[in-house]
Amino acid sequence: EDQVTQSPEALRLQEGESSSLNCSYTVSGLRGLFWYRQDPGKGPEFLFTLYSAGEEKEKERLKATLTKKESFLHITAPKPEDSATYLCAVQTRRGYQKVTFGTGTKLQVIP
Amino acid sequence: EAQVTQNPRYLITVTGKKLTVTCSQNMNHEYMSWYRQDPGLGLRQIYYSMNVEVTDKGDVPEGYKVSRKEKRNFPLILESPSPNQTSLYFCASSKADRQVEYFGPGTRLTVT
Repeated sequence: EDQVTQSPEALRLQEGESSSLNCSYTVSGLRGLFWYRQDPGKGPEFLFTLYSAGEEKEKERLKATLTKKESFLHITAPKPEDSATYLCAVQTRRGYQKVTFGTGTKLQVIP
Repeated sequence: EAQVTQNPRYLITVTGKKLTVTCSQNMNHEYMSWYRQDPGLGLRQIYYSMNVEVTDKGDVPEGYKVSRKEKRNFPLILESPSPNQTSLYFCASSKADRQVEYFGPGTRLTVT
């Protein structure tokens, strides 16, 4: 069974304090790993797709990396507007129509 | 503007009273799906559709029905809602490769 585990569940940072969120996965044949951002009361918003170990993608203060067992979302010098829940999801080769989500990391950035 | 819309946004109903949550997308996407989101459980897929008249079960399909008669619409039907279906529901759409999903704003359903 495909499993996605995100840690920590919640993270509180001071503005400018860099940190990383973790997404570890157990799947048979990864086709893609996705990161989404979800603001309270809204639907998830796509951030990145990673396909293979060693791949990295960046967007403003966010950088996503991928290994064979986990992905990290690095947040550099965060601002209060980065406060949100960050979701990780995986898609497998055998059932590419199915995506399994983790439970998310709730990030709070304090001014 | 490219978007996924859902209606209603909020719904309070009673056990056993049939209801439908509508979902529409204007991006000509082949793939559409329904998720429910519950605290501590994350997003779980209910049903998905790869194209018109093609639907399949996700992880938690019990108590739900769907139909895909038009490419842009994918309604979620609860024939006899029960309190354990109280949840936040999201509709999503994507191209056939499933690489980027666009989510609707959500429907908060309460079944008493």
